[in-house]
Amino acid sequence: GAVVSQHPSWVICKSGTSVKIECRSLDFQATTMFWYRQFPKQSLMLMATSNEGSKATYEQGVEKDKFLINHASLTLSTLTVTSAHPEDSSFYICSASGGEGTLGQPQHFGDGTRLSIL
Amino acid sequence: GIQVEQSPPDLILQEGANSTLRCNFSDSVNNLQWFHQNPWGQLINLFYIPSGTKQNGRLSATTVATERYSLLYISSSQTTDSGVYFCAVDDYKLSFGAGTTVTVRA
Repeated sequence: GAVVSQHPSWVICKSGTSVKIECRSLDFQATTMFWYRQFPKQSLMLMATSNEGSKATYEQGVEKDKFLINHASLTLSTLTVTSAHPEDSSFYICSASGGEGTLGQPQHFGDGTRLSIL
Repeated sequence: GIQVEQSPPDLILQEGANSTLRCNFSDSVNNLQWFHQNPWGQLINLFYIPSGTKQNGRLSATTVATERYSLLYISSSQTTDSGVYFCAVDDYKLSFGAGTTVTVRA
């Protein structure tokens, strides 16, 4: 149980294009979803938290106009990297939790998306 | 925010050896999770352990919340145990430590 599916697994695209990444909870309702970014040989850094039906909460230093997050249903959240540039290249990972925020609820992670901007 | 420190940063093991990884955190937390990130980047949930001790096969974990630390034990290590081990503490959001990179040699 508690499976989170993330697509695509990897993306290579030209500078200036927008890229959408999907995160789905397959067998549970995800009240809250999280998006993380991981640079090579570094830890995961939380970018934003999204609750179904409301606006995402972004961490300090994360541009909300650059990284658009939509959590339209209890099983799907999307991250769109707008007008991507080489510095946006990274490993993006989503997670989902079935509870309010994360209090008392484990987070379940997708397999990640490797984004390379040429 | 909460500070999470993991030690050691790197660990090289001979297959069959036992090891202990440590996670210290700076404040009270609602929860703590241990993860294994494999070479392909997949993050595998190992333990959800706010307190006490849990075991899963060759792995076990102990969290002493009052003293703000958690330990992950790997017994009879195998090459498939290689990867990065992260602990993450839950204070309304997950804060990750820097990880311990484990290399198990045959």
